[in-house]
Amino acid sequence: GAGVSQSPRYKVTKRGQDVALRCDPISGHVSLYWYRQALGQGPEFLTYFNYEAQQDKSGLPNDRFSAERPEGSISTLTIQRTEQRDSAMYRCASSLSGQPYNEQFFGPGTRLTVL
Amino acid sequence: KNEVEQSPQNLTAQEGEFITINCSYSVGISALHWLQQHPGGGIVSLFMLSSGKKKHGRLIATINIQEKHSSLHITASHPRDSAVYICAVGRGGSQGNLIFGKGTKLSVKP
Repeated sequence: GAGVSQSPRYKVTKRGQDVALRCDPISGHVSLYWYRQALGQGPEFLTYFNYEAQQDKSGLPNDRFSAERPEGSISTLTIQRTEQRDSAMYRCASSLSGQPYNEQFFGPGTRLTVL
Repeated sequence: KNEVEQSPQNLTAQEGEFITINCSYSVGISALHWLQQHPGGGIVSLFMLSSGKKKHGRLIATINIQEKHSSLHITASHPRDSAVYICAVGRGGSQGNLIFGKGTKLSVKP
């Protein structure tokens, strides 16, 4: 079947606007992860879900960032009142289960640019 | 100090050379992942290992749990191996989120 998909692939927004980034994981994958990657850096963890339950949101930088996965499948990462420092590649990954020894499959990412 | 350190940051090699990329970590882990990020940005999982050694084609990954160190080797390198190679660790316990190194940018010249 299809891999992990993300939309939009590119998003340009003005400072102060809200944005919603979508992730569609591999069908049947229990766990879904959100990461953020700055240019020239490795990804950094934001939050993850097992089914619809948000297991860990310790990586969300502040309360402007939130995520949900209401039906245990598609997830949305929302950034309110965007700031220029939010510009980055936002990546989603999914895995069969939430164990660290499970392979994670990454989506193509959403490149967010905040002007 | 980052919890996951990679070296070198950048590596240029001639086609055919044997390549080694190193990863050291400072936290207890359940598993270590090697990932490849293509020039177009996509990330692909190469290996997941918790002990010993794994081989896939020209790629070999090893891990020494006692020394908290892993290496990724590429034999008979080819220009198509040019990419960023990222080491990531899954913490001990049940959490699946990964801690990533900054990556090693490999360029293989023909």
